[in-house]
Amino acid sequence: GAGVSQSPSNKVTEKGKDVELRCDPISGHTALYWYRQRLGQGLEFLIYFQGNSAPDKSGLPSDRFSAERTGESVSTLTIQRTQQEDSAVYLCASTRSTGEKLFFGSGTQLSVL
Amino acid sequence: AQSVTQLGSHVSVSEGALVLLRCNYSSSVPPYLFWYVQYPNQGLQLLLKYTTGATLVKGINGFEAEFKKSETSFHLTKPSAHMSDAAEYFCAVSGQGGSEKLVFGKGTKLTVNP
Repeated sequence: GAGVSQSPSNKVTEKGKDVELRCDPISGHTALYWYRQRLGQGLEFLIYFQGNSAPDKSGLPSDRFSAERTGESVSTLTIQRTQQEDSAVYLCASTRSTGEKLFFGSGTQLSVL
Repeated sequence: AQSVTQLGSHVSVSEGALVLLRCNYSSSVPPYLFWYVQYPNQGLQLLLKYTTGATLVKGINGFEAEFKKSETSFHLTKPSAHMSDAAEYFCAVSGQGGSEKLVFGKGTKLTVNP
């Protein structure tokens, strides 16, 4: 596709429910990131996929968070048993390689009631 | 491991004044350094980046940044602020290597006063 696509753009859920966020990176981009941006805050690193290497999961805030990526294509971020503090914009970004420009998706605005 | 510190979460300047946004980094390997900008209600855009070579890099909209290894800094400057520069600015670092992740600073919100 022409850019990084994220879905849904908005998600409202009840506390305790599970949610799944999807990211379609730009074709050919081997690196894929998930970041979280709380209202008025910076970008918090969550997880990084690079080719066939083991993902860097060092930013995942708890074991309720997990992510998968199929080859060098789609990635899903799953949050189990959502909490109100999970409310944020979840951004996906992809790039061809380290040192190259990151292309960001429009984000998923998650609201946990 | 990499980390970024942006000094000053808010910076306010007058239109026409110098803009200086500070960024210091920590990296265990030679770094790649970036500045991204986020305008209100928009996504992040790359302003400029340093990979190798010339340490003074020029970006879009008249911004530039200088990589100073001895000071572990990558401060962003613009000689004359414009109202349209009001935005949030993020410094980011990754290591020079295929497996090094990109880490962002907490951001600096720039306000430009008429």
